[in-house]
Amino acid sequence: TQLLEQSPQFLSIQEGENLTVYCNSSSVFSSLQWYRQEPGEGPVLLVTVVTGGEVKKLKRLTFQFGDARKDSSLHITAAQPGDTGLYLCAGHNTNAGKSTFGDGTTLTVKP
Amino acid sequence: DVKVTQSSRYLVKRTGEKVFLECVQDMDHENMFWYRQDPGLGLRLIYFSYDVKMKEKGDIPEGYSVSREKKERFSLILESASTNQTSMYLCASSSPGLEGAYEQYFGPGTRLTVT
Repeated sequence: TQLLEQSPQFLSIQEGENLTVYCNSSSVFSSLQWYRQEPGEGPVLLVTVVTGGEVKKLKRLTFQFGDARKDSSLHITAAQPGDTGLYLCAGHNTNAGKSTFGDGTTLTVKP
Repeated sequence: DVKVTQSSRYLVKRTGEKVFLECVQDMDHENMFWYRQDPGLGLRLIYFSYDVKMKEKGDIPEGYSVSREKKERFSLILESASTNQTSMYLCASSSPGLEGAYEQYFGPGTRLTVT
């Protein structure tokens, strides 16, 4: 069974601070996705990373896929209250029909 | 934009009732999924489907069944609802993206309460 561990589980910071969320596994994935979920809503896809070592930027969010495609990180610069939510990573292998989800990181950004 | 819709945002049912949760996607995706999400337990896969009339058990299929008669529609059925099935239910669909990555697109969720 493939597992994805996210850390930290909870993170509470002040507006303007930087933060990094980690997603780690002992398994190799073909691709990895990051989602953000707001309370009472479904997760929304933020990004997909496919190539080992790949870095993708989405405004103040920077996503990195590990060289061995076993881990990933999400870095947020100058966090804003609108970044508050549950951040989920999910790994996928092409020969498996389903994705493996981490348990998520709950981020709270205080004004 | 991919759109996944779920028939209800909130449902309240009584123990023993048969419950149907409907999910429709408009992007011609092959794969569809049903998850439940509970505090501290993350997203847990109930069932998924690769194609019409095909279904595969996920990690927690007990007490649930599914139906996929049309490609765009995937239904989750609770044959006899129990209080431990009170949860947030999320439907998702996917197909290979430009890079061959099976990105999942989720519906808004159904908050089911069984009393």
